[in-house]
Amino acid sequence: DIQMTQSPSSLSASLGDRITITCRASQSISRHLNWYQHIPGKAPTLLIYGVSTLHSGVPSRFSGSGSGTEFTLTISSLQPEDFATYYCQQSYGIPYTFGQGTKLDIK
Amino acid sequence: QVQLVESGGDLVKPGGSLRLSCAASGFTFRDYYMVWVRQAPGKGLEWVSHINSGGSTVDYEDSVRGRFTISRDNAKNTLFLQMSRLRVEDTAVYYCVRNGVNRRDFDFWGQGTLVTVSS
Repeated sequence: DIQMTQSPSSLSASLGDRITITCRASQSISRHLNWYQHIPGKAPTLLIYGVSTLHSGVPSRFSGSGSGTEFTLTISSLQPEDFATYYCQQSYGIPYTFGQGTKLDIK
Repeated sequence: QVQLVESGGDLVKPGGSLRLSCAASGFTFRDYYMVWVRQAPGKGLEWVSHINSGGSTVDYEDSVRGRFTISRDNAKNTLFLQMSRLRVEDTAVYYCVRNGVNRRDFDFWGQGTLVTVSS
């Protein structure tokens, strides 16, 4: 199975901050990398697919980059609704594995 | 709008069985691969199983293969997960998820249904 490792596991930041979350794959996954946001008690939502394509309705302050084994999710200016847990996921090979999550909270 | 509504979650004893359902609306269900993803308490997300649009191709995460069966009824816009020989470690919120068309991402998620396996 392809292992996905996110860093950091948790992050404290302030409104307006720029933050970056890193996701590393145990083998090359080309551009088959997706990002999700999960607020407790709510359904997870797709943010970005194929490394850098924003899902419909996702604000432009979110962006993704990378290829091969290293990928990043950046939020350019944190808003109150962005405090959540973020997961990367590889869709290169079954099982489609997720990272362990990065919990983003307010400093 | 796209809606996925799961049902069937319950408290069940180890070794027991349970059937989850997911009612889909707001899109042409028969055109999409569908997926089950779970989240154990305090843990991250885990892909469990998927099924192609026609129901002829399925796959499973190793720990559930042989115990869980995914299926769908395209006439009734419903996805199922038949769970048998349940283990304590199957305790989780189970999400019904739509796979993006011609893509390999999970573009819409239901709210989830809780399965608790405990004696």
